[in-house]
Amino acid sequence: GAGVSQSPRYKVTKRGQDVTLRCDPISSHATLYWYQQALGQGPEFLTYFNYEAQPDKSGLPSDRFSAERPEGSISTLTIQRTEQRDSAMYRCASSPGTGWETQYFGPGTRLLVL
Amino acid sequence: KNQVEQSPQSLIILEGKNCTLQCNYTVSPFSNLRWYKQDTGRGPVSLTIMTFSENTKSNGRYTATLDADTKQSSLHITASQLSDSASYICVVSDSGTYKYIFGTGTRLKVLA
Repeated sequence: GAGVSQSPRYKVTKRGQDVTLRCDPISSHATLYWYQQALGQGPEFLTYFNYEAQPDKSGLPSDRFSAERPEGSISTLTIQRTEQRDSAMYRCASSPGTGWETQYFGPGTRLLVL
Repeated sequence: KNQVEQSPQSLIILEGKNCTLQCNYTVSPFSNLRWYKQDTGRGPVSLTIMTFSENTKSNGRYTATLDADTKQSSLHITASQLSDSASYICVVSDSGTYKYIFGTGTRLKVLA
């Protein structure tokens, strides 16, 4: 596609519900990153994928958070039993290769947990 | 303590003036440093990326410098424009991993 897309753009949910966020990276980009960005803060790294492999998920704040990229393209980030502190902007980025290239960010999904 | 510290936290300047934003980091081993511009409500957009062997890189009116010995970087904006109003985020990566450590950013406001 023309750029990285994410859906939904906004999500309001009740505490305790599960949510799944989707990221559609730029076509053929090898690497995909997930970030969490609290209001007024810079993005915090959560996890990344090299194609379908997930070499590093150390940034995931708890075991309620999980991410998948089963076919090496689209990725989902799932938060189980959401808590109010999960409220944030979740950003996805992709880069063409597996080296140190520029990351292209999507518009983000703003999650609000009530 | 954050491994990437930025200063000032916020800055207001008049259109046409120059300004310099600072980034100090303790990330080690260091691989590269990036500056991003983030407009309100938008994702970060990359301005520059520098490896440890580079000490300056320009992108239009933006010039980034890097001193890997003192672990300091600066972003200089020349002849500021109203559209430069945004948050500027310094991001440092360490060698051997894909972890990116983000600074908290400097919020720049350019006034007419």
